[in-house]
Amino acid sequence: GQNIDQPTEMTATEGAIVQINCTYQTSGFNGLFWYQQHAGEAPTFLSYNVLDGLEEKGRFSSFLSRSKGYSYLLLKELQMKDSASYLCASLDNYGQNFVFGPGTRLSVLP
Amino acid sequence: NAGVTQTPKFRVLKTGQSMTLLCAQDMNHEYMYWYRQDPGMGLRLIHYSVGEGTTAKGEVPDGYNVSRLKKQNFLLGLESAAPSQTSVYFCASISGRASLAKNIQYFGAGTRLSVL
Repeated sequence: GQNIDQPTEMTATEGAIVQINCTYQTSGFNGLFWYQQHAGEAPTFLSYNVLDGLEEKGRFSSFLSRSKGYSYLLLKELQMKDSASYLCASLDNYGQNFVFGPGTRLSVLP
Repeated sequence: NAGVTQTPKFRVLKTGQSMTLLCAQDMNHEYMYWYRQDPGMGLRLIHYSVGEGTTAKGEVPDGYNVSRLKKQNFLLGLESAAPSQTSVYFCASISGRASLAKNIQYFGAGTRLSVL
């Protein structure tokens, strides 16, 4: 079976840094994905880790530790437009089936 | 280049009615997926397809059927709608071919379905 956990809600201040954690337990693993979803819209791809370590993309970074079943998304220099839900998802060993976590709703306050 | 297009965007059904949701992608992607999204539960996989003419069950397949007769289209059917199927439905596709971006999912805008 597969299980992914994330905090339900987080709040941060404009200009600050926030870290959103994701833990996963899967029978097979082929990568960990982060998606951003604004209210009423479709998810959009942010980052992807398949090996341990940090992937940096502008203000967003994602980290993976396969031995610990743990990932985080780091958002720097927060902007109001970063208020959204952030979805963590794993890809199974066959590279076919994705499992999503419940999503973390981030509110950025002025 | 439209990406992934879902129709309809909104629909209200009565219990027992049937309907088909259409997903079309113009990126020549191999794999396509149907998810439902309910408050507090994230995206749950209903069915998926790894190529034309193939389908497979996901986490929550009961009450739904799918078909992939053409590579670019993936249809989701509800034969007898129930209130428990009230949800937002998202279609997604991935390339599936060997490339750095092969597993990135592209989502449609969603279909908001209410079953009364």
